[in-house]
Amino acid sequence: DAGITQSPRYKITETGRQVTLMCHQTWSHSYMFWYRQDLGHGLRLIYYSAAADITDKGEVPDGYVVSRSKTENFPLTLESATRSQTSVYFCASSEKRFQNDNEQFFGPGTRLTVL
Amino acid sequence: GQQVMQIPQYQHVQEGEDFTTYCNSSTTLSNIQWYKQRPGGHPVFLIQLVKSGEVKKQKRLTFQFGEAKKNSSLHITATQTTDVGTYFCAGPPWDKIIFGKGTRLHILP
Repeated sequence: DAGITQSPRYKITETGRQVTLMCHQTWSHSYMFWYRQDLGHGLRLIYYSAAADITDKGEVPDGYVVSRSKTENFPLTLESATRSQTSVYFCASSEKRFQNDNEQFFGPGTRLTVL
Repeated sequence: GQQVMQIPQYQHVQEGEDFTTYCNSSTTLSNIQWYKQRPGGHPVFLIQLVKSGEVKKQKRLTFQFGEAKKNSSLHITATQTTDVGTYFCAGPPWDKIIFGKGTRLHILP
C-alpha cells in the first residue's frame, strides 16, 4: 500500500544548483499536482498534470520545470535553485471519477533548503 | 481571479472549548473541500460539500456550506489535543484547486 511517495524527504542544496524532486503514485490517478508551502502563504500550486504528457502552470511556476512521461511519476525540477525556493514541497494526486468527487491525496512532502 | 479567504489565521483554545474556522469565496462555488494538516504532516482530505445549505457531521466536526455557496465553516465541539493542526478549505476548479491560507489551531491544556 505505497500510495503516493516523495523523494528525497529532506534536501539541502546551494544556490544555482539543479535539483529534482520525485513523486510517485501507485493508484494510476490521472491528475498530479505540485505545491509549495510557506508560512503565511498556505499551499500554492506550482504545476499540475491532467495525464501523461499533459502539464500546465499553476500559481507560482517560475523557476520550476515538470514532466510526466509516465502516469505514475511527476518529477519537479528546480533548474537553478534560489534561496526563495526554500520551502516544503508537496506532491498530490487525484482522480476525477465524478463531477464532485476529486479528493486530493498528498505525499509526505520534501523539505528543501537552498543555501 | 477567484480567491478563498479563511479566518481566523490562528486560534488558541483551551482543551474542551469549541472552535470554528470560516472560509469565504469571492465567487459562487460548485463545491468546497476541507483538509487537515497535523504539525509536520501533510494535508489530509476531510470532506467535500456540494449542496447549498448542506451540513455534514464527522463525530465532533460539523461542516456547513452557505446557502449562497460562497462561504463555508468548520466547527469542532469540545476540542481535544488530537485536533491540533491547520485546517484548509479549498475550492474549484479542481485542476487548479485554490486553497485558503488555513487556520492554525493550538490547544492549550
